[in-house]
Amino acid sequence: NAGVTQTPKFQVLKTGQSMTLQCAQDMNHEYMSWYRQDPGMGLRLIHYSVGAGITDQGEVPNGYNVSRSTTEDFPLRLLSAAPSQTSVYFCASSYSGQGDEQYFGPGTRLTVT
Amino acid sequence: GENVEQHPSTLSVQEGDSAVIKCTYSDSASNYFPWYKQELGKGPQLIIDIRSNVGEKKDQRIAVTLNKTAKHFSLHITETQPEDSAVYFCAASRGITGGGNKLTFGTGTQLKVEL
Repeated sequence: NAGVTQTPKFQVLKTGQSMTLQCAQDMNHEYMSWYRQDPGMGLRLIHYSVGAGITDQGEVPNGYNVSRSTTEDFPLRLLSAAPSQTSVYFCASSYSGQGDEQYFGPGTRLTVT
Repeated sequence: GENVEQHPSTLSVQEGDSAVIKCTYSDSASNYFPWYKQELGKGPQLIIDIRSNVGEKKDQRIAVTLNKTAKHFSLHITETQPEDSAVYFCAASRGITGGGNKLTFGTGTQLKVEL
């Protein structure tokens, strides 16, 4: 198993550009989520999904969209990038989403200039 | 919503000594408390977790204790080794009772184990 994979590893965007951060898992996990990590602030939940076709907002959803058309994939879209979205983004998955272990991907470091 | 506070932000110990990291939480409905280790350039990795029906859990050199009354939980690492150097995060969620796996993280502790 590859576990949780994320692409790209690094990305630089200009303000106003759009892009999609990719996340995939091959563990047949129902629950997937996106976090952002900023210095001194830990990880904060952006969006999550409890299964294909079901998504919901986390703590900091503004400026981000998600969809879950398959069990394996959970892309995160930035519609119009802003410097405040400069961060490291982590995707995570777990089997049931009922307080079980979450597996994190290696992260995408995004810089918005 | 849930608020998790973590202390200290940095911790330096000598190899072989013990390290203790403490967290407090605010939501009395939280019942799942994982600890993650993050090495430089990598994603967080679960090292141990505890649920609210248990007061203490051990796994070799690491242990976690939970005080539900005080809303306080701690990570204990004994016989520290250089490879324990990393950033450690505590987190809390409502788990199976509602809210699923929406984790609220502490701000992290940079642990440095010196030779």
